[in-house]
Amino acid sequence: AQSVTQLGSHVSVSEGALVLLRCNYSSSVPPYLFWYVQYPNQGLQLLLKYTTGATLVKGINGFEAEFKKSETSFHLTKPSAHMSDAAEYFCAVSDRGIQGAQKLVFGQGTRLTINP
Amino acid sequence: DAGVIQSPRHEVTEMGQEVTLRCKPISGHNSLFWYRQTMMRGLELLIYFNNNVPIDDSGMPEDRFSAKMPNASFSTLKIQPSEPRDSAVYFCASSFNTPNTEAFFGQGTRLTVV
Repeated sequence: AQSVTQLGSHVSVSEGALVLLRCNYSSSVPPYLFWYVQYPNQGLQLLLKYTTGATLVKGINGFEAEFKKSETSFHLTKPSAHMSDAAEYFCAVSDRGIQGAQKLVFGQGTRLTINP
Repeated sequence: DAGVIQSPRHEVTEMGQEVTLRCKPISGHNSLFWYRQTMMRGLELLIYFNNNVPIDDSGMPEDRFSAKMPNASFSTLKIQPSEPRDSAVYFCASSFNTPNTEAFFGQGTRLTVV
């Protein structure tokens, strides 16, 4: 079964600084990887996903992530943090479960705080 | 499409009462997921359906929890009897049953059991 580990349950950066949220996965097959964001009192929404092709994936709100097979990583970055980026971020990997049904396996989440 | 629709958005109930949470998935999606989110345990997958059939309910915490999907456009999660420790935000999500597609989440139901 696939699994995801997010390093750091809380990350704090200053406004304008680089954002780096770490995600490592384990997968026995080529993985499909996702990053979601959750703003307060809302559901999760997709930031970006990697399926095939280019390993550097661009998403919404200036975020991007790079798939590195050799490191089994899919870290999320943004060059310059905005106050509006404060949220919880979840990394996920697609897993084929019982009877072949697909499901997403989520990491524990990283809460991003932006300091003025 | 209006996205995944959950109701109610907020529910406050007394311990011992039955609670029913409702979900309407995105039209055309054939997989549906129920998640629970708490501060202590994070995001937990409770159960998921494929083509209206329950596939894996190993995440359902106790027999007090049950879920149904009578048709492709409706699902319920029921807790009977409810307990204070069931207080959480419950999310429904839907997707196509393919590995390269994302799940779309509803806004969640915040359940408080007093």
